[in-house]
Amino acid sequence: GAVVSQHPSWVICKSGTSVKIECRSLDFQATTMFWYRQFPKQSLMLMATSNEGSKATYEQGVEKDKFLINHASLTLSTLTVTSAHPEDSSFYICSARRGVWGNTEAFFGQGTRLTVV
Amino acid sequence: GQQVMQIPQYQHVQEGEDFTTYCNSSTTLSNIQWYKQRPGGHPVFLIQLVKSGEVKKQKRLTFQFGEAKKNSSLHITATQTTDVGTYFCAGLGNQFYFGTGTSLTVIP
Repeated sequence: GAVVSQHPSWVICKSGTSVKIECRSLDFQATTMFWYRQFPKQSLMLMATSNEGSKATYEQGVEKDKFLINHASLTLSTLTVTSAHPEDSSFYICSARRGVWGNTEAFFGQGTRLTVV
Repeated sequence: GQQVMQIPQYQHVQEGEDFTTYCNSSTTLSNIQWYKQRPGGHPVFLIQLVKSGEVKKQKRLTFQFGEAKKNSSLHITATQTTDVGTYFCAGLGNQFYFGTGTSLTVIP
């Protein structure tokens, strides 16, 4: 299957700093990428949908200014957690799909475990 | 917003017993996908269902998409310890949402 690479796989940062997470589709072009957040023993909560060359669409309750998403190319989307706080500690995972819509499966990155101290 | 619920939330079975998880959406879905996530891992795609009433099988796993395209089920026959993990359905409606997941524990 297709490969989506997410980096870093884990990060520890101080409260108040910003953290950038990268999501790359290695062998296909992803016009749409999704960013999810997962707390322990819970489901993946969609944070935002990222479309190449346009602004991300955020889910209700997700702060746009805190979770900055940039989808600058067809193979790269980034999520920046700005002014991180301990409550932002979570597992963040991206997924990418070939094409815009349609019947295509989603390929997931390995996830990033963020710990804010 | 769109809601995709799964039941049960947790399931413990003896090895060899069957297991079923049910997925229900508040809205009609154009397709539904199933994923498995092992502890500490990321979701891995299992299968996609597109047609109303569709049934697909993968060895001991049987997937079904409801006639109204608002519900789906995953059935595992004769569970094995390798089946341990959380099973998520994911539906494509306006966006791509995951169900609440069912965590399966298989007791040897």
